[in-house]
Order: sequence, then C-alpha cells, then structure tokens
Amino acid sequence: QVQLVESGGGLVKPGGSLRLSCAASGFTLSDYYMSWIRQAPGKGLEWVSYISSSGSTRYYADSVKGRFTISRDNAKKSLYLQMNSLRAEDTAVYYCARDPGTLVDLWGQGTLVTVSS
Amino acid sequence: EIVLTQSPATLSLSPGERATLSCRASQSISSSLVWYQQKPGQAPRLLIYAASNRATGIPARFSGSGSGTDFTLTISSLEPEDFAVYYCQQRSDWPPWPFGQGTKVEIK
Repeated sequence: QVQLVESGGGLVKPGGSLRLSCAASGFTLSDYYMSWIRQAPGKGLEWVSYISSSGSTRYYADSVKGRFTISRDNAKKSLYLQMNSLRAEDTAVYYCARDPGTLVDLWGQGTLVTVSS
Repeated sequence: EIVLTQSPATLSLSPGERATLSCRASQSISSSLVWYQQKPGQAPRLLIYAASNRATGIPARFSGSGSGTDFTLTISSLEPEDFAVYYCQQRSDWPPWPFGQGTKVEIK
C-alpha cells in the first residue's frame, strides 16, 4: 500500500525542539523529491520545506529558515523535519508529501504540533 | 515572492450547479499551477496539475484552465462529495511554492 505516515508531533514549549518523522511505504522513496507542508488550525496550507531525492538540495520557507532542517534516510525509507526555536505560530498539522517535482501526488495523514506554554 | 489570490472565499451552490473558482498570480507563472481539494479532517488531494491536466482518478467534471496569471477550476455539475475547500499552488521552477488562501464550496 502506497502511503506516508508521520509521527513525532506533540505539545512543546516556545523555544523548544521537536523532530518529525515520515515513514514511506509502497514505493521507492529514493525516486522522489519530498516536501513538508503545514496547516495551522482553521487556516490554509503553507509550504514549509523541500528536499531533493538524494538530499543534496534543500529549500525552506522564509518563516522557518534557520530554525527547521529537512533531511532524509532513503535506506530507512524515512523523511525528517527537525524543528528548533519553536514559536506559537508554528502550531499546525504537519504533512509529509511526495513531490515528483511539479506537484504533490501523495500526502500523509498529518501530525499535530502545538507550541504553547 | 509570487502571491496567489483565490476568489471567492466562499461559494454557496446546490448539487448539480456549476462551480467556477478563480486563482490569480501576482506575476506570470506560465502553466505552473496545481489545484488540490481538501475535505474536513482529511489531507488534501491532488486534482489538477500543470493548470489543466486531471490527476489519476479525478472525475471528468473537474477541469482546469488558464495560463500566465489567471487560472480557473471548474466543476461542471456539483456532486455531494465535491463540497470541500479548494487550494491552488504555484509550482514554478524554484521555491517558495505558496498556496492560495482557499475557496470553500458549501451547500446552499
């Protein structure tokens, strides 16, 4: 079954850190670029970060640049998002997304990150 | 940075009616536009890519058009399962790849 499953979300205090993971199954992760996309409660979608299939190229939204790091381990069929210096405005559902290059064709179910004291 | 503006914010229609959703880019993005559908409590789903190409499994009642700065998603005859929020996203060569703010299609 082709799917993406995120984990690692939870409640964290402002200034804290969290690492999200995304497990891929049913397809060869190393064949695809991948992205993280988030959605604040009741709000729209926000593209967060993107990584090339080898991991050599990474891009970030200005809102997370310098605080978040995207990475991948193709052998472990996993994508990661290390989030540091978290702020209240980072509170959102974070989606792992398969990105063939010009679109997102597969989404995970999302993991909720809540930043609050 | 390219900004996408969707209109209207909310569209109130009855099943069987035609829905026309707009997405306008702040500068030309050629045909590099994607449409997604999101239902409550679910992840988004790919509908249309490269402005006018239906994704696998998407019914023919969904169509996309436009190029440059003005794009349209049309649902020819609304089915009950089509009531949802629709987002456009620009996918030009380099990030960032912002989304529009969404259009909610609700039952009238």
